[in-house]
Amino acid sequence: DGGITQSPKYLFRKEGQNVTLSCEQNLNHDAMYWYRQDPGQGLRLIYYSQIVNDFQKGDIAEGYSVSREKKESFPLTVTSAQKNPTAFYLCASTDKGGNIQYFGAGTRLSVL
Amino acid sequence: GQQLNQSPQSMFIQEGEDVSMNCTSSSIFNTWLWYKQDPGEGPVLLIALYKAGELTSNGRLTAQFGITRKDSFLNISASIPSDVGIYFCAGLPNSGNTPLVFGKGTRLSVIA
Repeated sequence: DGGITQSPKYLFRKEGQNVTLSCEQNLNHDAMYWYRQDPGQGLRLIYYSQIVNDFQKGDIAEGYSVSREKKESFPLTVTSAQKNPTAFYLCASTDKGGNIQYFGAGTRLSVL
Repeated sequence: GQQLNQSPQSMFIQEGEDVSMNCTSSSIFNTWLWYKQDPGEGPVLLIALYKAGELTSNGRLTAQFGITRKDSFLNISASIPSDVGIYFCAGLPNSGNTPLVFGKGTRLSVIA
């Protein structure tokens, strides 16, 4: 089935550790996005990429890094510089010129 | 960045009641989208609106693109328990190739 796959569903991070969240899509979409969701905060944009090998910072990029080496993959690394990483992370994608974002099922990150 | 004001923040209703929520902005949007998020899952698109004044239905859901292009509302008729979740509005700005802007969500609880 076509869609967006995020893994893992649950992830635990130790203090000072970098962790990477996976996002893969087989929809042949050009643009991909990462959002952070905290209770009552809605969706806040971390990074987005509209084409392979290019990406832009969103509203809350500090403490995060991304890469876009392949069209279907847009991994997000939560670095040790992100002091409050506990949240629900959502990946999304749209096709070229598309207005509609399609979301993955999310990864819940917690700090040990 | 641009912001959408979504209200109400939360609602508690009896099963069978109708529900109304809305989003407003100080900026013009080209597209309005409404999503629903179930607990622990990613948002799923409910309705997409592309023209000012457009009124679109999807089963018991009806949404409208405001004439001024600065607002949109979503109505749910005859609510049922499975309507529980968080409803998000999202708008595509009228300014170049920029990502969707999301409201903070309306949390709906239905009392059977």
